Amino acid sequence: KQEVTQIPAALSVPEGENLVLNCSFTDSAIYNLQWFRQDPGKGLTSLLLIQSSQREQTSGRLNASLDKSSGRSTLYIAASQPGDSATYLCAVDPSGNDYKLSFGAGTTVTVRA
Amino acid sequence: DAGVTQSPTHLIKTRGQQVTLRCSPKSGHDTVSWYQQALGQGPQFIFQYYEEEERQRGNFPDRFSGHQFPNYSSELNVNALLLGDSALYLCASSFGGMNTEAFFGQGTRLTVV
Repeated sequence: KQEVTQIPAALSVPEGENLVLNCSFTDSAIYNLQWFRQDPGKGLTSLLLIQSSQREQTSGRLNASLDKSSGRSTLYIAASQPGDSATYLCAVDPSGNDYKLSFGAGTTVTVRA
Repeated sequence: DAGVTQSPTHLIKTRGQQVTLRCSPKSGHDTVSWYQQALGQGPQFIFQYYEEEERQRGNFPDRFSGHQFPNYSSELNVNALLLGDSALYLCASSFGGMNTEAFFGQGTRLTVV
């Protein structure tokens, strides 16, 4: 059974600081890994998707890396802004005949102005 | 282009009642997955519908059932509601039975009293 862990559970930083969010997973047989953003009480917005064959993916100030063999992914957010305050979730999409995304519990980020 | 639409956005039910939640997938998508997200937790997979069939089910009791219609929209039904069913219910749509580029709706907040 895939277990996904996100550390830390919460993070508070001053505006302008870089953010580093960690995600670990127990089963390396993955198809891809996705990072999502969730605002309070809202749905999920996809930020980045990394295929299992990729090492990293970038979009603007966001960069995500994937080390499948060690079961780790890291999301970097450069030059944080108050608008980046949200919960960030990683989700593992397994390979094979398993169609469910397995989510971590998320990291709640607060960027102080 | 409308994304994933869920209705209603909020509802309050009494223990023992039944509830139906609805999801319209993003245009061009044919796969719908349902997730339950308790407060402070990551989403948990309930089931996935593809080609009008329940393709995979998570660890949820039979009180949770669903349906997918020919236009790919979907319903989630929960019978004999318990207090513990209070959560945000999220619908995700994708194409071809895959989770790649899954789009999530804004969710339905269910409160059981």
